[in-house]
Amino acid sequence: DVKVTQSSRYLVKRTGEKVFLECVQDMDHENMFWYRQDPGLGLRLIYFSYDVKMKEKGDIPEGYSVSREKKERFSLILESASTNQTSMYLCASRPPIRQGSYEQYFGPGTRLTVT
Amino acid sequence: EDQVTQSPEALRLQEGESSSLNCSYTVSGLRGLFWYRQDPGKGPEFLFTLYSAGEEKEKERLKATLTKKESFLHITAPKPEDSATYLCAVQAVTGANNLFFGTGTRLTVIP
Repeated sequence: DVKVTQSSRYLVKRTGEKVFLECVQDMDHENMFWYRQDPGLGLRLIYFSYDVKMKEKGDIPEGYSVSREKKERFSLILESASTNQTSMYLCASRPPIRQGSYEQYFGPGTRLTVT
Repeated sequence: EDQVTQSPEALRLQEGESSSLNCSYTVSGLRGLFWYRQDPGKGPEFLFTLYSAGEEKEKERLKATLTKKESFLHITAPKPEDSATYLCAVQAVTGANNLFFGTGTRLTVIP
């Protein structure tokens, strides 16, 4: 079974703090993704990575950056947290496309509150 | 523009009362349509992938079907443990690697 873990289930930070969200997958997947989920808006892609040190912006990258130094780990960074970044953050990974699978597997999520 | 619309937003069923959830989509070439289940406060759990019109997939009380414009998730004789939010997502042939999600149907099954 694919296992995607996230470093924290709940996190409370103050406005202006730098925040690190960590995600680890154990299936040697090349593709990893960060989404945020808000009521009425669904899941929206922040960034994705298709290999180590490779990243691409998603639909809402403003205020975020990412780091992928190792294949199994993908980090989301909030450079200066703001209250509008209060949300559920979900990490996902996906098998290589050459395997013919396109489904993504999600971690348990991190509920971030910025006060 | 890729778009996914799920209906209804919320559905309450009596235990054993079968029903269907709808996912309508507009995408510039469908690579795949995905169904997920999400329990409150947790990450989405993968259920099915459908690739082409006419395809069907089943898992226990759930059956997913696909046409060229929409997908249905049929729930047969649901149980209270089927209560969850069901998410539909599409991936286009062209464009980014991400999934484009609908906002989900919140299903409540009453004992």
